[in-house]
Amino acid sequence: EVQLLESGGGLVQPGGSLRLSCAASGLTFSNYAMSWVRQAPGKGLEWVSSISGSGVSTYYADSVKGRFTISRDNSKKTLYLQINSPRAEDTAMYYCAKGSSWFDPWGQGTLVTVSS
Amino acid sequence: SYVLTQPPSVSVAPGKTARMTCGENNIGSKGVHWYQQKPGQAPVLVIYYNSDRPSGIPERFSGSNAGNTATLTISRVEAGDEADYYCQVWDSSSDQRGVFGGGTKLTVL
Repeated sequence: EVQLLESGGGLVQPGGSLRLSCAASGLTFSNYAMSWVRQAPGKGLEWVSSISGSGVSTYYADSVKGRFTISRDNSKKTLYLQINSPRAEDTAMYYCAKGSSWFDPWGQGTLVTVSS
Repeated sequence: SYVLTQPPSVSVAPGKTARMTCGENNIGSKGVHWYQQKPGQAPVLVIYYNSDRPSGIPERFSGSNAGNTATLTISRVEAGDEADYYCQVWDSSSDQRGVFGGGTKLTVL
């Protein structure tokens, strides 16, 4: 069974930085693209970023391009999301998910709150 | 760029059929995926590539996609089906990106 466990969320000040992690188990991690999807409180789902299995190809939503960086360490079976210069509107639950065309399964999420 | 339009809410009585739509020009040319999200939980994939069901998803869940509308259908609706449902596509027309609809709240009366 594939399991994804996010960590690294918390309170961050506007203009600060934060790195989210997603530890994967139950799969040959390097074979699969991975993605981050977020959900602001009371709002819908928003795709954030995806990365190919090798890590060579990365894709970003316009809302985070230039501020967020997705990466992966296949030897550690871990996905990352580096969040720089966060804004109040980045406050959300951040989910990692296996895949890029579609997302399955999802982790339970880690909450990021951007506030001074 | 893709904008997926979903009705904010759908209501249905137990045992009846619920249909939730996802609209965009020529969405029938895309693979549409559907997710169920219950309060306080992570989303769960219920349909991928328009009509395929992941293992563990009941046969009551089905999907279709043609023209400008994709549809998620839930037959013999149960109280436990009450949730938010989101459609999603991968848009590779220009930049590669994921696109979600705004979601539909299914209420079981």
